[in-house]
Amino acid sequence: ILNVEQSPQSLHVQEGDSTNFTCSFPSSNFYALHWYRWETAKSPEALFVMTLNGDEKKKGRISATLNTKEGYSYLYIKGSQPEDSATYLCAGLSGGGADGLTFGKGTHLIIQP
Amino acid sequence: DVKVTQSSRYLVKRTGEKVFLECVQDMDHENMFWYRQDPGLGLRLIYFSYDVKMKEKGDIPEGYSVSREKKERFSLILESASTNQTSMYLCASRELAGGGTQYFGPGTRLTVL
Repeated sequence: ILNVEQSPQSLHVQEGDSTNFTCSFPSSNFYALHWYRWETAKSPEALFVMTLNGDEKKKGRISATLNTKEGYSYLYIKGSQPEDSATYLCAGLSGGGADGLTFGKGTHLIIQP
Repeated sequence: DVKVTQSSRYLVKRTGEKVFLECVQDMDHENMFWYRQDPGLGLRLIYFSYDVKMKEKGDIPEGYSVSREKKERFSLILESASTNQTSMYLCASRELAGGGTQYFGPGTRLTVL
């Protein structure tokens, strides 16, 4: 079992502020790192799939970085909006990439107006 | 758009009943997965399949079995439901090419009384 950890577990952020949170994973046998956003009563929605050390990806106000040598990824949200409130999940994939993702427990983000 | 559908959003069953959860995807993906989500534990992989009639155990397969007779359909079976199987069950699919985005269904909230 791949050990994927996320911190913090929950986060309250004022609307307009920027924020970031962390995902750590074993650096050995790394294949890919995924980020998902999961809003209440909806399916988890893919944000990023990252495979290369040093990868940086961006989608609107959300961006992510990847460091496979030290085993961590950061997710950044710039200028938080109420619609950013969700649980953000990261998931690791090891080996040849055909296995199931191993998810962290998520960071529950609440944006306060 | 990729679509992953699950047969029921909510299901209530009695202890000892046989339960079938059905999942269908329309993108011709090779890989399909079943997860359960419990508070404080995150998404945990039950079983996955990378081809018709193929199945692999995930992290928590005990008490479950699966069936994949057709590429688009992946069924999760609880042979004799127990109260500790009360949970949210999510199905997902992904291209075999490793690292690709995983697409989730809307989930089935199963209550076993």
